[in-house]
Amino acid sequence: GAVVSQHPSWVICKSGTSVKIECRSLDFQATTMFWYRQFPKQSLMLMATSNEGSKATYEQGVEKDKFLINHASLTLSTLTVTSAHPEDSSFYICSAARGGGAAKTQYFGPGTRLLVL
Amino acid sequence: QKEVEQDPGPLSVPEGAIVSLNCTYSNSAFQYFMWYRQYSRKGPELLMYTYSSGNKEDGRFTAQVDKSSKYISLFIRDSQPSDSATYLCAMKDSGGSNYKLTFGKGTLLTVNP
Repeated sequence: GAVVSQHPSWVICKSGTSVKIECRSLDFQATTMFWYRQFPKQSLMLMATSNEGSKATYEQGVEKDKFLINHASLTLSTLTVTSAHPEDSSFYICSAARGGGAAKTQYFGPGTRLLVL
Repeated sequence: QKEVEQDPGPLSVPEGAIVSLNCTYSNSAFQYFMWYRQYSRKGPELLMYTYSSGNKEDGRFTAQVDKSSKYISLFIRDSQPSDSATYLCAMKDSGGSNYKLTFGKGTLLTVNP
């Protein structure tokens, strides 16, 4: 149990285009999902917390107009990188929180590698 | 001082060795402790999840938490080449609806056949 998928697994796009990444919890419902960014040989950097039916909460320094997050259902959250530029190239990973109360923990998707040319 | 300190390694051991991975932390509010394994170019996979102090064993893996010392460990017995990965410690407090995790930087482990 606790399977999280992401689509696409990797994407190459031209500078200035927008890219949408989907995150799905396949066998459980997740009211809370998270989006992370990871640079090579570095740990995970939390970008935003996504709650179903409400606006996402962004971490300091993350541009909410550039990284649009929509958590439309209990099993789906999307991250759209708008007007992508080469510096947005990175490994984007989502996670979904599962469990009860304070014991909830996060299960991660396989990640999406974005390359902006 | 960072909230969570983890030696990034790299750590290289021969197959069959016992591996010890560690993290220290400064926030005494942390109550839940996790170890994730991340293979190259993949998302992290939850290995161990413990609450408060104590030990937890799952197969070849043992997680230990010592809250008095603010120190957590992951032991891998009879290590295998397939254990080669980056191991991330993570922790969180029990406050309200805060499910945010605080991660260590990760330790890169290589098990040589």
